[in-house]
Amino acid sequence: DIQMTQSPSSLSASVGDRVTITCRASQGIDNYLAWYQQKPGKVPKLLIYAASTLQSGVPSRFSGSGSGTYFTLTISSLQPEDVATYYCQKFNSVPLAFGGGTKVEIK
Amino acid sequence: QVQLVQSGAEVKRPGSSVKVSCKADGGTFSGHSINWVRQAPGQGLEWMGRIIPIISVTNFTQKFQGRVTINADRSTNTAYMELRGLRSEDTGVYYCARGVSPGGLDFWGQGTLITVSS
Repeated sequence: DIQMTQSPSSLSASVGDRVTITCRASQGIDNYLAWYQQKPGKVPKLLIYAASTLQSGVPSRFSGSGSGTYFTLTISSLQPEDVATYYCQKFNSVPLAFGGGTKVEIK
Repeated sequence: QVQLVQSGAEVKRPGSSVKVSCKADGGTFSGHSINWVRQAPGQGLEWMGRIIPIISVTNFTQKFQGRVTINADRSTNTAYMELRGLRSEDTGVYYCARGVSPGGLDFWGQGTLITVSS
């Protein structure tokens, strides 16, 4: 099975900072990757699908890129409401594994 | 828009089974998949498996193969996930979520807390 590895596992940044989270697949998955945001105590929310397509209603400060085995989620200007754990998930074939998550906090 | 409404929290004994339901309110399954995702306390998201109701196809991650059943009743737009042989490490929140093409889980149920304890 293809493994999904996120880094870092946690980060702390200041409001307004540019934040980048990485997700690596152990084998190529084309662009079949989604990103989610999960705020504490809440249900996960789809942010990005097909590696770079923003889900409707998601603020434009979120962006995704990558293909094959290397993907990134970028928050261009971190806001207090972005405090959450972020997960990637592969969709090229089953099992649809998640990455381990990246916890984002405000410094 | 569709809402996924799950059954309520349960406490189960080790070795027993649990069945969680997920009803699509305000919509149908159509051609979408219904996925089941587990989250142990303080841990990340774990994909368990899915069903594509329109063609009755199921897929599972190997970890749960043989211990989980997923089915769906298209007449009531309700999906079910049954987990057998419960152990303490099965404690967690179980989510259902709708899968869409080309990939992504766009609508999620509210989650069902399953506690396995003697």
